[in-house]
Amino acid sequence: QVVLTQSPSASAPLGASVKVTCTLSSGHSNYAIAWHQQQPQKGPRFLMKISTDGSHIKGDGVPDRFSGSSSGAERYLTISSLQSEDEADYYCQTWGTAFHVFGPGTKVTVL
Amino acid sequence: HLVESGGVLVRPGGSLRLSCAASQFTFRNYNMNWVRQAPGKGLEWVSSISSSGNYIYYTASVRGRFTVSRANSKNSLFLQMNSLRAEDTAVYYCARESDRGWIDSWGQGTLVTVSS
Repeated sequence: QVVLTQSPSASAPLGASVKVTCTLSSGHSNYAIAWHQQQPQKGPRFLMKISTDGSHIKGDGVPDRFSGSSSGAERYLTISSLQSEDEADYYCQTWGTAFHVFGPGTKVTVL
Repeated sequence: HLVESGGVLVRPGGSLRLSCAASQFTFRNYNMNWVRQAPGKGLEWVSSISSSGNYIYYTASVRGRFTVSRANSKNSLFLQMNSLRAEDTAVYYCARESDRGWIDSWGQGTLVTVSS
């Protein structure tokens, strides 16, 4: 079964950039993933899907400062020009025929 | 647009039925999911149902206790939860699956509390 690993936390100053990493378990580097944002006390929001070649499909209304990329078994979410509203938990997710799996989440703090 | 309902406080061993009302998209064309989040914890996939309802999957911890169903004519998704345990306490989200597999839309969630 595929497992997703994320660092528990990341931080950067207001206006700077932060990169969040999601790592696929051994033997599963060919999986695409999706990124979801969960602001405090809110439900999750789909941000984008990242393919193995780094191409991505964004959700409706997702700002351009959110971008995604890929390298080997790692999938990345980069947030540029950090805003206060970007302070949230970010979850990666992958899927198969009969399952969905979520990473443990990364809490992004805007300093 | 997805709106969940039905979450309440229930005793251990009790039952509950959650509902999810879908709008602003063609519900019958999409696979649907339930995802839960225990207090202070991360997201956990619970169950999936195909667009036709013919294919159904569960995470191991709820298999045999939970039943997912849908009524395409009413744009509705359901989760029947039996033999509830304290560890089932969570916010339950209804989530739409894109046509290629990833979750692309979420409801706002409904809180289920299992406690005596």
